[in-house]
Parts: sequence; structure tokens; C-alpha cells
Amino acid sequence: DAKTTQPNSMESNEEEPVHLPCNHSTISGTDYIHWYRQLPSQGPEYVIHGLTSNVNNRMASLAIAEDRKSSTLILHRATLRDAAVYYCILSARGYGGSQGNLIFGKGTKLSVKP
Amino acid sequence: SAVISQKPSRDICQRGTSLTIQCQVDSQVTMMFWYRQQPGQSLTLIATANQGSEATYESGFVIDKFPISRPNLTFSTLTVSNMSPEDSSIYLCSVVAGGRTDTQYFGPGTRLTVL
Repeated sequence: DAKTTQPNSMESNEEEPVHLPCNHSTISGTDYIHWYRQLPSQGPEYVIHGLTSNVNNRMASLAIAEDRKSSTLILHRATLRDAAVYYCILSARGYGGSQGNLIFGKGTKLSVKP
Repeated sequence: SAVISQKPSRDICQRGTSLTIQCQVDSQVTMMFWYRQQPGQSLTLIATANQGSEATYESGFVIDKFPISRPNLTFSTLTVSNMSPEDSSIYLCSVVAGGRTDTQYFGPGTRLTVL
């Protein structure tokens, strides 16, 4: 599985936008880019995913570089509830890999200050 | 979406004993996964448990240590056998569900402490 690189931690102020970067220079043409987040003491939850085009949903936006070697998860207005570990994951298919599994890296721990 | 429950939510066990963790889904799903999250670490996939077939284990995990059952499309169990303190972790199950094969749903996890 292709690897991703994320900063270990980031800080944000409440109600400000947050841009979480992810580098995936060895991404292949069939790899989807997934983002999950894990709130304290909970299981991970799906945030967003994309292949080539930028994507928006009610939780966040995903901006994908033209060469697909990097992407950015955008939280438009951070809230205290957004404090979590954010994982950027590559998978070979839309549902998370050649066998459906997700390979988690270390992720970025996002802190949100009031 | 899929709602997943796990039992027990936490347990403290003695070395050498075994614990079976249950995962219940509110809808029928084909693909189910078991993960381990050691203290302060990220998630590591243990195995894939598809109904009607033997579980597929990832490198470093074996069936004798982590036997898995998948008797139907809404339920699975993971047993942690002959436990040692190194098995102290959070164990999570997840599923691909809801007709959207791009989303994986996770249970709340089972926090296991082995003394």
C-alpha cells in the first residue's frame, strides 16, 4: 500500500478554517484518498474521500493536487468537537483497498483552542 | 450508514486467560474487519472476516491467537487467547455497509487490560 506523510500535530483556533496536509508522492493511478478522524475514546469515523477532483460534503472539503501527490483536508470552521486525530489513507479501490481494509498511518492530532 | 456495537466495552483480564469480543451490526454486511490499537498508537488491521469464508489474517497475526467467528451477516466475534500484558489494547471492529462501498464504519472499541 502506498504511504502517506502527515504532520504529527496541528493547532487551530475555534471558528477558523483548518487545512490539514497529506503527502502521498507514491500514489498510483487507482488509489483513492480517504480521510478518517478519531475523536477521543471513539472509533474512527469517515470524513471524506476522492480520486482526482476536489470534493465537498457537509463535514469538510478535500482538495487534491493536480499531480495527486498531495491533498489537503479543509475544515471550514473548526469547532471544539473537531479536535481529533485525522488520518489520510490511500486505498486501491473506493471502499478502502484491494480487500476493503484500511491501512492507518500515525495521523495528525488536531487541537482546537477556544 | 451502519451502527455497530461491541461487547464488552472494557475488561481487565488475567494473564493466560482468553476473552471473546462481540461485534453486532444493525444491518447485513459482507465485509467486516478487526483492528487493534495499542496505547498511543494508530490502528493495525488484524484480520478480514467475510461471512461464509475463513478469516484472512494480516502478517503478524495468527488464528490460534486471534480466532474469529462470522456466523452470519450481522455478527462476529474475536477471541484474544492466552493473553499477556502485551495484548492490552483497544480492539475495534468495522464494516463496509449501506451500499456505499467507499465508507467504513467503526465500532466504539473494546478496551482490554491484561494484568
